[in-house]
Amino acid sequence: GQNIDQPTEMTATEGAIVQINCTYQTSGFNGLFWYQQHAGEAPTFLSYNVLDGLEEKGRFSSFLSRSKGYSYLLLKELQMKDSASYLCAVRADYKLSFGAGTTVTVRA
Amino acid sequence: EAGVAQSPRYKIIEKRQSVAFWCNPISGHATLYWYQQILGQGPKLLIQFQNNGVVDDSQLPKDRFSAERLKGVDSTLKIQPAKLEDSAVYLCASSLVVFGLAHYEQYFGPGTRLTVT
Repeated sequence: GQNIDQPTEMTATEGAIVQINCTYQTSGFNGLFWYQQHAGEAPTFLSYNVLDGLEEKGRFSSFLSRSKGYSYLLLKELQMKDSASYLCAVRADYKLSFGAGTTVTVRA
Repeated sequence: EAGVAQSPRYKIIEKRQSVAFWCNPISGHATLYWYQQILGQGPKLLIQFQNNGVVDDSQLPKDRFSAERLKGVDSTLKIQPAKLEDSAVYLCASSLVVFGLAHYEQYFGPGTRLTVT
């Protein structure tokens, strides 16, 4: 299996930037996903990294370093609607394993 | 494009009773997944189908859980008998089968919230 670690909670102010780190240990790495999950709702796809580097998608960016087993999700220009849980998920041997999620609270 | 459909959305049962959940994936998605998400945790894969064959069921408690995907489209997940620790949200997801380094993005349904009392 995979050991996937991410912080439990983070708080930030509207308009600010927040970086959510994820570290993992795995073999057979096929890619890393970030999902957003609002309370009581299903996870929705945010980003996918399979090669090292930064992927930018609007206000959200995701970075991967395979040699370090490390990824981060960067949320810029935070909005109240960004308050949610952010799940780091590692695909290894074509099976997806999720971290416990980081709850981000955006304050006015 | 219609999303992943699941029913029921909520279910309350007593321990030792049986329960079944239904999932209809996005049209054309060959791969279907059932996840269990306990409050405060990430989703845990229970079983993965490709078409109507099982790809991975290593984390499915087979003494009480069963799943099938007849005809390679919709799927049912059953728990019999239920235990208190089965209280969770059961998520169904589907994805296209794409080879190489392409996406394996999974699309999730709204989930079924199960409470076992």
